Amino acid sequence: LMTQTPVALSVSLGGQVSVSCRSSQSLVHRDGNTYLHWYLQKSGQSPRLLIYRVSNRFSGVPDRFSGSGSGTDFTLRISRVEPEDLGVYYCLQSTHFRTFGGGTKLELK
Amino acid sequence: EVQLVESGGGLVQPGRSLKLSCTASGFTFNNFGMAWVRQAPTKGLEWVASISFGGSSTYYRDSVKGRFTISRDNAKNTQYLQMDSLRSEDTATYYCARHEEFGWYFDFWGPGTMVTVSS
Repeated sequence: LMTQTPVALSVSLGGQVSVSCRSSQSLVHRDGNTYLHWYLQKSGQSPRLLIYRVSNRFSGVPDRFSGSGSGTDFTLRISRVEPEDLGVYYCLQSTHFRTFGGGTKLELK
Repeated sequence: EVQLVESGGGLVQPGRSLKLSCTASGFTFNNFGMAWVRQAPTKGLEWVASISFGGSSTYYRDSVKGRFTISRDNAKNTQYLQMDSLRSEDTATYYCARHEEFGWYFDFWGPGTMVTVSS
């Protein structure tokens, strides 16, 4: 089970926010890697990959996005929030098959 | 540029069947695993099924096992999702997604196709 908090978040442009994703079991795979990833889904669009394996930014993702964490607790941080950052953020674990978190909606304050 | 385009969605009665297609371009299709991920209206994302790059291995979430079949035709750069015995809870937008090289996450997604199961 993947639990994301908060469910919704309000931010001012230029501000910083954090999204949490907690797993009910350790996401450390037997190969030693941790398979926790982050996606952003803007309104009316399909999801796009932001961060893979906890902290690696996908191609074209600005360095305002950063991921951290280990074991069961993970965080996505967004600094200097811009209008294009608004939408719903999902974590995905693929250590134990594949499960998405419930999502965190980022809105403007 | 990687492109994935789904088709085949629509309105179908409970208990009936529907087959979705996803046509890929912009990459060597037979080098990558593929998947279907769905999203019920106003809900979150839910992985449905995956298939290996050669098609020999398939994986399903429990709620669709025995009802859905994922397949692919590498000559046509296309993957499919055959959905039988459809239920109202299968109503969702179905996204085609590409697995990254080693299969651990989805790196590109299509725009989705809507499936509505209703009488």
